[in-house]
Amino acid sequence: DTGVSQNPRHKITKRGQNVTFRCDPISEHNRLYWYRQTLGQGPEFLTYFQNEAQLEKSRLLSDRFSAERPKGSFSTLEIQRTEQGDSAMYLCASSLAGARTDTQYFGPGTRLTVL
Amino acid sequence: TQLLEQSPQFLSIQEGENLTVYCNSSSVFSSLQWYRQEPGEGPVLLVTVVTGGEVKKLKRLTFQFGDARKDSSLHITAAQPGDTGLYLCAGAGGNNRLAFGKGNQVVVIP
Repeated sequence: DTGVSQNPRHKITKRGQNVTFRCDPISEHNRLYWYRQTLGQGPEFLTYFQNEAQLEKSRLLSDRFSAERPKGSFSTLEIQRTEQGDSAMYLCASSLAGARTDTQYFGPGTRLTVL
Repeated sequence: TQLLEQSPQFLSIQEGENLTVYCNSSSVFSSLQWYRQEPGEGPVLLVTVVTGGEVKKLKRLTFQFGDARKDSSLHITAAQPGDTGLYLCAGAGGNNRLAFGKGNQVVVIP
C-alpha cells in the first residue's frame, strides 16, 4: 500500500454515460497526477495539479475529460459521454514538490470498461 | 510516441537464473524511476536514480543509470517466482510528467 487510494477500483458503464473517479493522495504530497494505461502500454500522462491549481494538461485530455482538486487534497476525474476508446486503467499518483527527486507514488488504479 | 524503449519486451526464465533488462532513450532525464506492476494493480516504486553512472541495489535487484542519464538497466540475481511482473521504467524530464516505456514482462518459472 503506497498510501494513494483510488475509488472505485472497477467501473463498468454503457457508452454515452458519465463516470467520475476519485483519488486520495499521500496526505503531505502537494502534487497530484492522472495517467491512463491501456493494454500493452505504459502509463500516459493526462494532467497534474500542484495544490489546487491544474498546471498542465496533455492533448490526450479531450474536452470530455475534466479533473478537479478543489481543496488541494483529493482529486476527481470525470469523463462525460464515455466512448469505448475510453476503456483503460486510470492511475493517480502523488509527489512532494521540492523533494530532491519528486518521485511519484501510484495508487491501485480504476479499471474502466465502456460497453 | 514512446520516449523510452524497453527491451526485451518479454522474458521467461527458470528460477535461480539471472536476468538483465534495459531501458533506452535519446533524451536526457533528470531522474529515472523503475516500477513493478502486477496485473490489475498500479505501478509500485522500486527505485529512483538521479546521478549519471549511479548504481543502486535492492536485495537481489541492481539498477544502473547510464553515465549520460539517457538509459538504465535492471539486473536480477537468482530470480524467484515472486519477481514475476511488468517492470516499467519512467523518465522525469523536468516538466513534472513521467514518460514511461512499454515495460519488460518478466516471468520466472518455478
